[in-house]
Amino acid sequence: NAGVTQTPKFRILKIGQSMTLQCAQDMNHNYMYWYRQDPGMGLKLIYYSVGAGITDKGEVPNGYNVSRSTTEDFPLRLELAAPSQTSVYFCASSYTFGGSETQYFGPGTRLLVL
Amino acid sequence: GENVEQHPSTLSVQEGDSAVIKCTYSDSASNYFPWYKQELGKGPQLIIDIRSNVGEKKDQRIAVTLNKTAKHFSLHITETQPEDSAVYFCAASRGGADGLTFGKGTHLIIQP
Repeated sequence: NAGVTQTPKFRILKIGQSMTLQCAQDMNHNYMYWYRQDPGMGLKLIYYSVGAGITDKGEVPNGYNVSRSTTEDFPLRLELAAPSQTSVYFCASSYTFGGSETQYFGPGTRLLVL
Repeated sequence: GENVEQHPSTLSVQEGDSAVIKCTYSDSASNYFPWYKQELGKGPQLIIDIRSNVGEKKDQRIAVTLNKTAKHFSLHITETQPEDSAVYFCAASRGGADGLTFGKGTHLIIQP
């Protein structure tokens, strides 16, 4: 299993541009999450999904959108990029079968908005 | 919402000594408390977790303790080694589909 994969690894955007951060998992997890990590800070939840077709806002959703058309994929869309969105973005997945709640994280996408 | 405080922000210990990192949480409904290790340029990786019905859990050199009354939990690493150098995050959750609320992290430095 590849686990949680994210693309791209690094991207520079100009203010006002848009992009999609890709996330995929091959563990058949039903729950998926997007977090952002700013320097010297912990991770903050942007959006999450409990299954295909179901998404919900986290702590910091403004400026982002998500979709979940399949169990495997959970892309994060940035519209009209702003410097405040410069961050490292992590996707994670988990399942609660058998009481397990471990979240598995991808390697991250580093985004710079100039 | 939940708020997680983590201390210290930086911890330097001699190789072979023990390291302790402490966290407090605010939401009494939180019942799941994982600890993650993050190496430079990588995503967080779970090292140990504890649920609210357990007071202590140990896995080789790593242990976690939980005090529900005081709403705090701690990570203990014994016999520290150079490969333990990393940033450690505590987190709290109500469980299920709820996302994790993270502390700000502790940079652990193991001095040779």
